[in-house]
Amino acid sequence: DAGVTQSPTHLIKTRGQQVTLRCSPKSGHDTVSWYQQALGQGPQFIFQYYEEEERQRGNFPDRFSGHQFPNYSSELNVNALLLGDSALYLCASSLPRSMTNEQFFGPGTRLTVL
Amino acid sequence: AQTVTQSQPEMSVQEAETVTLSCTYDTSESNYYLFWYKQPPSRQMILVIRQEAYKQQNATENRFSVNFQKAAKSFSLKISDSQLGDTAMYFCAFILGGSQGNLIFGKGTKLSVKP
Repeated sequence: DAGVTQSPTHLIKTRGQQVTLRCSPKSGHDTVSWYQQALGQGPQFIFQYYEEEERQRGNFPDRFSGHQFPNYSSELNVNALLLGDSALYLCASSLPRSMTNEQFFGPGTRLTVL
Repeated sequence: AQTVTQSQPEMSVQEAETVTLSCTYDTSESNYYLFWYKQPPSRQMILVIRQEAYKQQNATENRFSVNFQKAAKSFSLKISDSQLGDTAMYFCAFILGGSQGNLIFGKGTKLSVKP
């Protein structure tokens, strides 16, 4: 049973560029959440996708957008990259009506913006 | 707004000893869940233990246990018989009941287990 997978593992971009990160949820899960973890900080919630719609969103600008596909996999897109976007981006999957509200995390994508 | 505070940026413990990591949170809601996650250098965020706010009994998972004080809004993690593999960042996290998104994390505590 595969857990949450993310690609790529590492990514280096320059300011102003655009980036796409990908996530495949744990088998049987249909809800995907994205988090940004800056160095030395706890993860910050970006947004959550369920049934191909953005269901909740944290305090992130519109430069951050996402998509969920019919197979429940998801993409995170960031436009006009800033130096401050350098971070570990974590994807987490869950069941929509989980009794435990538990989220399962992937290994993350390390984004460096130069 | 909900907040989570971890007041210990770093801690160390000798192998086989016991260590307690502190966490406080703030919310006006009564239905919520609390978690401790472990993040080793491999970056994978791993769930250590969870606590439902409506349960008075403290959760326990093998060497890991919590001290949940709802009135004080405190949720500490005790690690017994510490092992070298416990070396990691530990994050306390909160989520409202019925909410599938919006896990709120503290800033983390870096735990080092020394041989």
